[in-house]
Amino acid sequence: EVQLQESGPGLVKPSQSLSLTCSVTGYSITSNYWGWIRKFPGNKMEWMGYISYSGSTSYNPSLKSRISITRDTSKNQFFLQLNSVTTEDTATYYCARVVRAFDYWGQGVMVTVSS
Amino acid sequence: ETVMTQSPTSMSTSIGERVTLNCKASQSVGINVDWYQQTPGQSPKLLIYGASNRHTGVPDRFTGSGFGRDFTLTISNVEAEDLAVYYCLQYGSIPYTFGAGTKLELK
Repeated sequence: EVQLQESGPGLVKPSQSLSLTCSVTGYSITSNYWGWIRKFPGNKMEWMGYISYSGSTSYNPSLKSRISITRDTSKNQFFLQLNSVTTEDTATYYCARVVRAFDYWGQGVMVTVSS
Repeated sequence: ETVMTQSPTSMSTSIGERVTLNCKASQSVGINVDWYQQTPGQSPKLLIYGASNRHTGVPDRFTGSGFGRDFTLTISNVEAEDLAVYYCLQYGSIPYTFGAGTKLELK
């Protein structure tokens, strides 16, 4: 069974970087696409970007200067880095597999940006 | 960016009723729309992909339709477990964009 699990700090200070890991079991990240999505307080959802089976990436232009998605195929993990965070980046962050759609999701990790 | 407008924002229903949720794109997205269901404390769950294809294991009371700019999700014979927030997502152009959600509540 495909399982995804996000991990990372729940609290980040403004202007610092947010770094999250998505650990995948039951499926290789060298197949298909793997994405990050976040849900803000108040329920708005935002697609952040994805990394493909080959390692190519695509990002939401609204984040393009701050976001990086990378991977470690030996550990079957992919990563999100978001730089220069502000309180507006407070959200629950989800990783997901993309096969026709976002068909498998992690349970989400809540990240608060606060000093 | 393609804006997805969902209506209504919230909807009250009774068990056993049929409800229709709407999603309108600001420009044509073909059939590149998914529907997701999210209950409190849970991750979003894929219901429909490609506008009308039911994901594996999704009950057949969920039906998606639409093309271009207008899309609907119909739930026939609503069950208690269907009370949730429903989101549409377009992936016809980058950035992929979600609607603001429709909250389905019990009357």
